[in-house]
Amino acid sequence: GENVEQHPSTLSVQEGDSAVIKCTYSDSASNYFPWYKQELGKRPQLIIDIRSNVGEKKDQRIAVTLNKTAKHFSLHITETQPEDSAVYFCAASNVGNTPLVFGKGTRLSVIA
Amino acid sequence: DAGITQSPRYKITETGRQVTLMCHQTWSHSYMFWYRQDLGHGLRLIYYSAAADITDKGEVPDGYVVSRSKTENFPLTLESATRSQTSVYFCASTGVVQGAPGYTFGSGTRLTVV
Repeated sequence: GENVEQHPSTLSVQEGDSAVIKCTYSDSASNYFPWYKQELGKRPQLIIDIRSNVGEKKDQRIAVTLNKTAKHFSLHITETQPEDSAVYFCAASNVGNTPLVFGKGTRLSVIA
Repeated sequence: DAGITQSPRYKITETGRQVTLMCHQTWSHSYMFWYRQDLGHGLRLIYYSAAADITDKGEVPDGYVVSRSKTENFPLTLESATRSQTSVYFCASTGVVQGAPGYTFGSGTRLTVV
């Protein structure tokens, strides 16, 4: 089955700097790669996703890149703000066939 | 996000007791899932369902039972709770329904087994 590895497990950045979180997946049949943000005591919430027919997707300060050949995808957050502090999870699945498999999460701290 | 609700939000139970966590969604999503979240392990899939009366095991199914007699409900039962089942449990749903969101989580149930 699918296995998703996520790095780093913790990340501290200064406010205004960029943050990058990387994930690798094992199943070449996976075609959907969402990223979730989870604030303390709350549910994971989808912030951006990408499908395998696209190499990059951007939404304001957040972007995701996908390298199908290398089986890795990354989350990029620019101009970080204190409210970006949270745990971020990557995930992968073969849409319509398999459930999402999650990485173990990255705790991002943005220091003001 | 009121479209998927979990109950109870918090539950304390004793070892050996049976406990059922409820999940209800209003989007008519075909797929529903149960994950548990533990520090250092992220979100691990317990069971999932592709439709009413169809369920499949996930990564960590032992000690859990599910049923899905109606599309909108997907209860998770711990038949004989153990301390290792202390966790935060999230239900999620997804499907191709116009106007409904994609893969979405409920607010979670924090279960403590003493």
